[in-house]
Amino acid sequence: AQSVTQPDIHITVSEGASLELRCNYSYGATPYLFWYVQSPGQGLQLLLKYFSGDTLVQGIKGFEAEFKRSQSSFNLRKPSVHWSDAAEYFCAVGARQAGNMLTFGGGTRLMVKP
Amino acid sequence: GAVVSQHPSRVICKSGTSVKIECRSLDFQATTMFWYRQFPKQSLMLMATSNEGSKATYEQGVEKDKFLINHASLTLSTLTVTSAHPEDSSFYICSARPLDRDYSPLHFGNGTRLTVT
Repeated sequence: AQSVTQPDIHITVSEGASLELRCNYSYGATPYLFWYVQSPGQGLQLLLKYFSGDTLVQGIKGFEAEFKRSQSSFNLRKPSVHWSDAAEYFCAVGARQAGNMLTFGGGTRLMVKP
Repeated sequence: GAVVSQHPSRVICKSGTSVKIECRSLDFQATTMFWYRQFPKQSLMLMATSNEGSKATYEQGVEKDKFLINHASLTLSTLTVTSAHPEDSSFYICSARPLDRDYSPLHFGNGTRLTVT
């Protein structure tokens, strides 16, 4: 069975500081990997995805993530955080078969200090 | 593109009544849609997979007679919470993937906040 672990429930960073959100997955084959962001009371917005190829993927809003097979990780990074980045971030893994459902990590709540 | 619309965004109902939530793919077709449930400050848990033209597939522990799913067309899936109880209060989110794009990620609706009084 596939699973996703986000070790950090809460993270607080200062505006302008760099950010790294951790994500570890367990999956029997090469997975599809995703990062989504959720603002309070809202649905999920896709930040970026990894399907194959270059292990460093660029997303929207200046985010990037690196797939490390040896570590079963897909950490999300941003070099300089903005106050508007405060939200809940979810890492998710899905099977490579088209249309398969996703398994989500527990989420990391990001707070940004002025 | 690839917009998923969910309606209503908020609903309050009394115990014992039923509530229907709609999930529409606005600019693409989807044979499969997914329904998730999210408790406050928790992650999303898959409830069921909605299959166009056939029965939904429910995850373990999800009561299929309580959470009725109908996928009547390639652009519409509905979730009906029957005989709602306060413990059904939650945030429900649907998602879908374009039919003809193998490497497209799932797109999510904005969710429905259900409060059962």
